[in-house]
Amino acid sequence: EDQVTQSPEALRLQEGESSSLNCSYTVSGLRGLFWYRQDPGKGPEFLFTLYSAGEEKEKERLKATLTKKESFLHITAPKPEDSATYLCAVPFTGGGNKLTFGTGTQLKVEL
Amino acid sequence: KAGVTQTPRYLIKTRGQQVTLSCSPISGHRSVSWYQQTPGQGLQFLFEYFSETQRNKGNFPGRFSGRQFSNSRSEMNVSTLELGDSALYLCASSTGQGAAEAFFGQGTRLTVV
Repeated sequence: EDQVTQSPEALRLQEGESSSLNCSYTVSGLRGLFWYRQDPGKGPEFLFTLYSAGEEKEKERLKATLTKKESFLHITAPKPEDSATYLCAVPFTGGGNKLTFGTGTQLKVEL
Repeated sequence: KAGVTQTPRYLIKTRGQQVTLSCSPISGHRSVSWYQQTPGQGLQFLFEYFSETQRNKGNFPGRFSGRQFSNSRSEMNVSTLELGDSALYLCASSTGQGAAEAFFGQGTRLTVV
């Protein structure tokens, strides 16, 4: 069974204080790994897809990386508007678009 | 390009009633998946439809069902509602090819009283 674990559960940063979020996964065959951002009461917003170990993707202050067992979401010089819950997910090894999600990291960036 | 549209946004139902939620995917997308999100369980997969056929199913009781129409729009139905069914129900749209990324709607907030 596919499993995804995220840490930490919650993270509080000062504006400009860089950090990383972790997503570790256990799958029999990785078909990809997705990162999403979710604001309270809204649907998850797609950020990145990573398909193979060593791959990196960047968007503004965010950079996602992938190894054979985990993925990191690096946040450089965060701003208050980066506050949200960040979710990672893996597609079902057996095919299709079923996603298994981690429980997320709730990020709070303060002035 | 229009995003994923879910209706209604909010719903209050009484225990024992049934409810139908609707999802219109992104134009051209043939895969629609449904998820239940609660504070305690996070995002849990309900089922996926691709070209009108159920392709994957999660571990939910038979009270939860869905269908997809020829225009890719999807509905999910929950019968005999229980208090524990209160949740944010999310629909995700994808091309359905390989491990393509999924795009989510804003969700339907269901409250069962």
